[in-house]
Amino acid sequence: KNEVEQSPQNLTAQEGEFITINCSYSVGISALHWLQQHPGGGIVSLFMLSSGKKKHGRLIATINIQEKHSSLHITASHPRDSAVYICAVRQGGSEKLVFGKGTKLTVNP
Amino acid sequence: DGGITQSPKYLFRKEGQNVTLSCEQNLNHDAMYWYRQDPGQGLRLIYYSQIVNDFQKGDIAEGYSVSREKKESFPLTVTSAQKNPTAFYLCASRDSGGLTRDTQYFGPGTRLTVL
Repeated sequence: KNEVEQSPQNLTAQEGEFITINCSYSVGISALHWLQQHPGGGIVSLFMLSSGKKKHGRLIATINIQEKHSSLHITASHPRDSAVYICAVRQGGSEKLVFGKGTKLTVNP
Repeated sequence: DGGITQSPKYLFRKEGQNVTLSCEQNLNHDAMYWYRQDPGQGLRLIYYSQIVNDFQKGDIAEGYSVSREKKESFPLTVTSAQKNPTAFYLCASRDSGGLTRDTQYFGPGTRLTVL
């Protein structure tokens, strides 16, 4: 079993819909990251969380440390949001990140 | 502009040949990383370096080698000992201070194909 599980694997939405991507992990962590990978392969860091909630524009990330779960929400989705969204966790004291397999989001106009 | 560059974007190699992938950053970051991405899998760590002249093996270091002679540069050599080298390779660096501490910044990647 992967230490970081994301759901769903694939998600198709219509423009304007509210999107939720989930991430569950099985280890103690010091931080959780949400990343966005564009079709060309480049990766951009969206959020780093250790507790609570963060918001940037139409993106919201939440984390529940007790339940070992995080969600990434996209409000008023747009075709330019189409990408692979990746969850990654850093275990306490470790230099390494452990990555989920990603959620491929397609937003249709 | 500050950032991470990787070259080349696409690389083709014959079996049995070593090949070196370039990674350069001008972000003044101490830590640098090499990841491998295969279809349907999460990124896997090959090597990382927390400081110049020092580096550690990641989870899949066999068949790879690195050097860190300068803070800005962390080249990855894929050797002929790597059994399945065809993959997408990503380099990253990490900010160790300030407001963006612990954020990893990724390069655009190199797609290596072994013919």
